[in-house]
Amino acid sequence: DSGVTQTPKHLITATGQRVTLRCSPRSGDLSVYWYQQSLDQGLQFLIQYYNGEERAKGNILERFSAQQFPDLHSELNLSSLELGDSALYFCASSASGNIQYFGAGTRLSVL
Amino acid sequence: AQTVTQSQPEMSVQEAETVTLSCTYDTSESDYYLFWYKQPPSRQMILVIRQEAYKQQNATENRFSVNFQKAAKSFSLKISDSQLGDAAMYFCAYDSNYQLIWGAGTKLIIKP
Repeated sequence: DSGVTQTPKHLITATGQRVTLRCSPRSGDLSVYWYQQSLDQGLQFLIQYYNGEERAKGNILERFSAQQFPDLHSELNLSSLELGDSALYFCASSASGNIQYFGAGTRLSVL
Repeated sequence: AQTVTQSQPEMSVQEAETVTLSCTYDTSESDYYLFWYKQPPSRQMILVIRQEAYKQQNATENRFSVNFQKAAKSFSLKISDSQLGDAAMYFCAYDSNYQLIWGAGTKLIIKP
């Protein structure tokens, strides 16, 4: 168990809808990262937050947004969903070092 | 921009034998970190090993070791005494300002 909690584990929704994925980092970790993994591919970095502030942004679509709350949990919001958004979404957290610990992921299926 | 390449989509090894997974990367930075992560069928991403570029010594974690060739920008993973539980996708990743850049992965099959 990495200590990073992601909910829900699975999400099935329809095109055009909006969903929210939630991540609770390991206790004490200030950084949260979001990644997208499409079927049998490597991970694509989406966005990073550090202590509530956006620190880095990767290949995140404008339809996607994220935030980190004062209690350090983070949410990834995906809107106007398309079939191609179906993927595994990972959250990771890290302390001051650079080792990222990953949650179990949320599998999103857009039908 | 940094890139990570894993040229072996799939590898297989007999149980108890040794296998080496390849990874090359491209960067203009001199100080960075490299990682190998394992993704078993459960889909959990598990850190296998980390290498700091400024350290000459290759990292080792039990049966897992790396061959880090900085000049060649090569970072291979050696798994000794392969076990059935080692079957998984293995991803090489480069740390670029706390963003991980990932290779496409190598599927490792263990033959009993």
